[in-house]
Amino acid sequence: EPEVTQTPSHQVTQMGQEVILRCVPISNHLYFYWYRQILGQKVEFLVSFYNNEISEKSEIFDDQFSVERPDGSNFTLKIRSTKLEDSAMYFCASSPPLITGELFFGEGSRLTVL
Amino acid sequence: AQTVTQSQPEMSVQEAETVTLSCTYDTSESDYYLFWYKQPPSRQMILVIRQEAYKQQNATENRFSVNFQKAAKSFSLKISDSQLGDAAMYFCAYRSTGNQFYFGTGTSLTVIP
Repeated sequence: EPEVTQTPSHQVTQMGQEVILRCVPISNHLYFYWYRQILGQKVEFLVSFYNNEISEKSEIFDDQFSVERPDGSNFTLKIRSTKLEDSAMYFCASSPPLITGELFFGEGSRLTVL
Repeated sequence: AQTVTQSQPEMSVQEAETVTLSCTYDTSESDYYLFWYKQPPSRQMILVIRQEAYKQQNATENRFSVNFQKAAKSFSLKISDSQLGDAAMYFCAYRSTGNQFYFGTGTSLTVIP
C-alpha cells in the first residue's frame, strides 16, 4: 500500500542551525502539507503546497521556514535558523486529487533543538 | 477560518464498553468533509472514519460510527466494544472546499482492561 515516507525519523540540532526535513508523498497525490505537533499536543498547520507553490501558510510559517519540491517526488521543509521552540514532531501529509480525499500522514520527523 | 473544537481532552472507557468522543466545528461552507483520525503513542495518524457533509446517513466502519448533526455542526465518534488497541489520541478534522484541513486539539482515550 502506498505510504508517505519521512526522513530523518529523529534529528538533534543546535539552536541556530539549519535543518531540512524530507518527505516523499504518495506519487499520484497533488496536495502536500506540513504539520507540527509539540509533545503530543494539538496538530498545528504550517503550510500547504499545490501545483509547485504554496497555497496557504499559517502564522507559524514565518521567514525562517521554506518548502520546496525539488525533483517532483521529494517535498522538503527547511528551517533556516532553529530555535528551542521549534522542537516538535513534524508531519508531512499528502492528499489525492479528490474532493473526498483524506490526508495520508507520514510517521513524522522528531526535531530536538538544543 | 474554520475551527474545530474537541471539548474532552481525556476520556476513558472500560474494555468492551462504548464511548463517544465529541467534536464541534464552525464553518460557513455548505460542502465539506469531516474525519476522525487516530494517533497511537509515537505513531503516525491514521484515518478512522470520514463523513461527507452532503450525506445525511451517518458513516460506519465496523465498531466505529459517527453521529453527524449538520445543523448543530456536531460530529461525534462512537466506539463500540472498545478494545485495548483503541487507546490513542483521537483528532477530529475538517476539510474545506479549498483543500485545507483543520484539526481539533485531540482527545486522549484510555481503555481500561
